[in-house]
Amino acid sequence: GEDVEQSLFLSVREGDSSVINCTYTDSSSTYLYWYKQEPGAGLQLLTYIFSNMDMKQDQRLTVLLNKKDKHLSLRIADTQTGDSAIYFCAESPSSGYSTLTFGKGTMLLVSP
Amino acid sequence: GAVVSQHPSRVICKSGTSVKIECRSLDFQATTMFWYRQFPKKSLMLMATSNEGSKATYEQGVEKDKFLINHASLTLSTLTVTSAHPEDSSFYICSARDLPGLAGGQYFGPGTRLLVL
Repeated sequence: GEDVEQSLFLSVREGDSSVINCTYTDSSSTYLYWYKQEPGAGLQLLTYIFSNMDMKQDQRLTVLLNKKDKHLSLRIADTQTGDSAIYFCAESPSSGYSTLTFGKGTMLLVSP
Repeated sequence: GAVVSQHPSRVICKSGTSVKIECRSLDFQATTMFWYRQFPKKSLMLMATSNEGSKATYEQGVEKDKFLINHASLTLSTLTVTSAHPEDSSFYICSARDLPGLAGGQYFGPGTRLLVL
């Protein structure tokens, strides 16, 4: 079955860049997503990328996709303390009624 | 943007009781709703997919008689944990999708934390 792996923890200082990495095994993954979960809250979709794209940038967020290596990364520029949260990588094989497979999440801790 | 609410946000109950969790799409009609369970330090686990007007589709290993799902309208799905036990304590999150299309167009609720004593 599908598997999505992430490192569990990342600590950075405010103002630095954060890079959260994710690997997946399903070669038919078509859509890849990054979600943010703040303490005690549900998930918020941050950004997504189609498998035919290499990079997507949205303000402070940059998503890089290496389809050959099945590696996805999320870079947060100028990380702020408000960015402290758990970040989930997720994949889906297609649109329509497909469900998502999530990684275990990476806890990002931003210190002042 | 699309908003999904859950009620209650937190519930504590005694072992053996049943608990109902509501998931509502506030400003759109949700043809499909999903119920997830999140264990501490673990990822989200999809429990079931609920389509309005039809029976829910449960994932392997999820007891449908234990976790009753009703999606009676296009804006409301309920999850009832029947005869709850301490091992059912968890964070339950629902999501809703309005149209078929980008699977990432799932809008998540804030979650319900269930503690069974």
